[in-house]
Amino acid sequence: KAGVTQTPRYLIKTRGQQVTLSCSPISGHRSVSWYQQTPGQGLQFLFEYFSETQRNKGNFPGRFSGRQFSNSRSEMNVSTLELGDSALYLCASSLWPYNSPLHFGNGTRLTVT
Amino acid sequence: ILNVEQSPQSLHVQEGDSTNFTCSFPSSNFYALHWYRWETAKSPEALFVMTLNGDEKKKGRISATLNTKEGYSYLYIKGSQPEDSATYLCAFKYNDMRFGAGTRLTVKP
Repeated sequence: KAGVTQTPRYLIKTRGQQVTLSCSPISGHRSVSWYQQTPGQGLQFLFEYFSETQRNKGNFPGRFSGRQFSNSRSEMNVSTLELGDSALYLCASSLWPYNSPLHFGNGTRLTVT
Repeated sequence: ILNVEQSPQSLHVQEGDSTNFTCSFPSSNFYALHWYRWETAKSPEALFVMTLNGDEKKKGRISATLNTKEGYSYLYIKGSQPEDSATYLCAFKYNDMRFGAGTRLTVKP
């Protein structure tokens, strides 16, 4: 069974640009969540989607948005990039939103210059 | 603000030692408590998901307990091996998923 696939693995952008990150969950998983990790910080929750509906959103500015498609694939978008957005972005999929373990992708390393 | 606290921040043990970590979480509005192992250059890997007060889970030499009434979970590693070296994360599931900062375990041969 293929794992969670995130693309791209690495990304370099300049301030003010926007970026779209992609996540393909494990087949059969309908729940996808996104996390940000910055140096010195733990994993910070960004969003959670289930069956194309955003269930929860973390404490991030409106520049961060996401969506989930009918095939459960998910994208997140960051507009007007800031230097502080440089981070590792992890996507995770699970069968259900509440008590199923998360299966993480390898992440996208975003560098904003 | 619902915070998840983990202690200790880091731990250095000798091969063969047994060790344990603590995860504290808000005891109200509880859905699930997760434990993950995160090795360097890899993705976090799920160890346990616990939902009921008094839950005990075991996977090889690693086990975990859950006390939802007082808001804590313990992770135990029996006979630590160098390959157990990793950061161990707990996460509290309510509406969102809140991760602790982790306990960094180093096992010396």
